[in-house]
Amino acid sequence: EAEVAQSPRYKITEKSQAVAFWCDPISGHATLYWYRQILGQGPELLVQFQDESVVDDSQLPKDRFSAERLKGVDSTLKIQPAELGDSAMYLCASSLQGQGSVEQFFGPGTRLTVL
Amino acid sequence: AQSVTQLGSHVSVSEGALVLLRCNYSSSVPPYLFWYVQYPNQGLQLLLKYTSAATLVKGINGFEAEFKKSETSFHLTKPSAHMSDAAEYFCAVSDRGNKLTFGTGTQLKVEL
Repeated sequence: EAEVAQSPRYKITEKSQAVAFWCDPISGHATLYWYRQILGQGPELLVQFQDESVVDDSQLPKDRFSAERLKGVDSTLKIQPAELGDSAMYLCASSLQGQGSVEQFFGPGTRLTVL
Repeated sequence: AQSVTQLGSHVSVSEGALVLLRCNYSSSVPPYLFWYVQYPNQGLQLLLKYTSAATLVKGINGFEAEFKKSETSFHLTKPSAHMSDAAEYFCAVSDRGNKLTFGTGTQLKVEL
């Protein structure tokens, strides 16, 4: 069964360091999402890609976060420099297309701890 | 703007008892509604979704939900809880543009 892959699964870093997360969506899925899930809360969308183009990054803290999907397939989310408040689960999801009724498939996530 | 309210951050039921997890939504357009389940340190898995067809939606693992427009609700139910149902459950609403807005989640505990 096709799945969304993410790595690493866990990351511990010190504040002010740079971190990067990788996501490989289900093959053929044009739409890719990055979510941040703070402990005890629901996921919050950070950025949405349609192929290689950013569709929505209104909630992405652009002073320290960046995301790219250069060839419209896999994607990287970077934080530089990391802050204590960035400790969270970072979830990647993909869907066939960016329509409201279409299911989003989630990866297992990367749990980030910033010390 | 759209939003979701999940009443009860923690729900505890006995094995074999009815499961009822509450979700109310706010949306300026007819919504799409979803329930996802999350097990510890895992991603989210779709249980069921409402996309303006039948108001009673059946999902996986015996769960179902009923869309009630007059009450702006989309509560999740299961007739008989099983130990394996213990997890966190998220209700989400999507406008026609595909952006999902999640509730804060309900942690379900199933006791013997």
